[in-house]
Amino acid sequence: AQTVTQSQPEMSVQEAETVTLSCTYDTSESDYYLFWYKQPPSRQMILVIRQEAYKQQNATENRFSVNFQKAAKSFSLKISDSQLGDAAMYFCAYKATQGGSEKLVFGKGMKLTVNP
Amino acid sequence: KAGVTQTPRYLIKTRGQQVTLSCSPISGHRSVSWYQQTPGQGLQFLFEYFSETQRNKGNFPGRFSGRQFSNSRSEMNVSTLELGDSALYLCASSLRGLYNEQFFGPGTRLTVL
Repeated sequence: AQTVTQSQPEMSVQEAETVTLSCTYDTSESDYYLFWYKQPPSRQMILVIRQEAYKQQNATENRFSVNFQKAAKSFSLKISDSQLGDAAMYFCAYKATQGGSEKLVFGKGMKLTVNP
Repeated sequence: KAGVTQTPRYLIKTRGQQVTLSCSPISGHRSVSWYQQTPGQGLQFLFEYFSETQRNKGNFPGRFSGRQFSNSRSEMNVSTLELGDSALYLCASSLRGLYNEQFFGPGTRLTVL
């Protein structure tokens, strides 16, 4: 089964500090896409960062970067210089292909609290 | 550009009824996908429509169906509602498909009594 696991349901970080959110996934595919989405309280879900599995270089978007370990099937998100606005639920997701059909598989999410 | 909109935002129904939810994607986006979000199961993929055709489908019973119109607007229908269908239903649009960035709407909160 294609699954995404976020082992930490909650984390907290001090403002301006760095935090790393973990994500592992299970797949037999060689080419796929991975995503981190952010869902702030009472606001719409938005994309944080996207990684194409065939690209060895880790994706970065300003303060957000990933550590993509393909062999280990690990896709962690690092948030540098944390800001109060980073407080949200974070979902790791994987675009799965099975039997010619595609779907997005999400982890259970992780609640990030940023302390001032 | 206007974002993804969903109507209604809140809905209360009773068991056995049916419901239709609507989603208007970002202009120019041809892919619309639907998700069910619950505290217990998390976010689950329902289906994706592209150019008026259902292109991909998740593991939900046939009571969950959808369609897409020529202007890319999409509707999702749930028939014979069950208590377990209470959830936040999210719609997302993208330029071409699930491998693109998904732009999510605010969701429709469905409560089944």
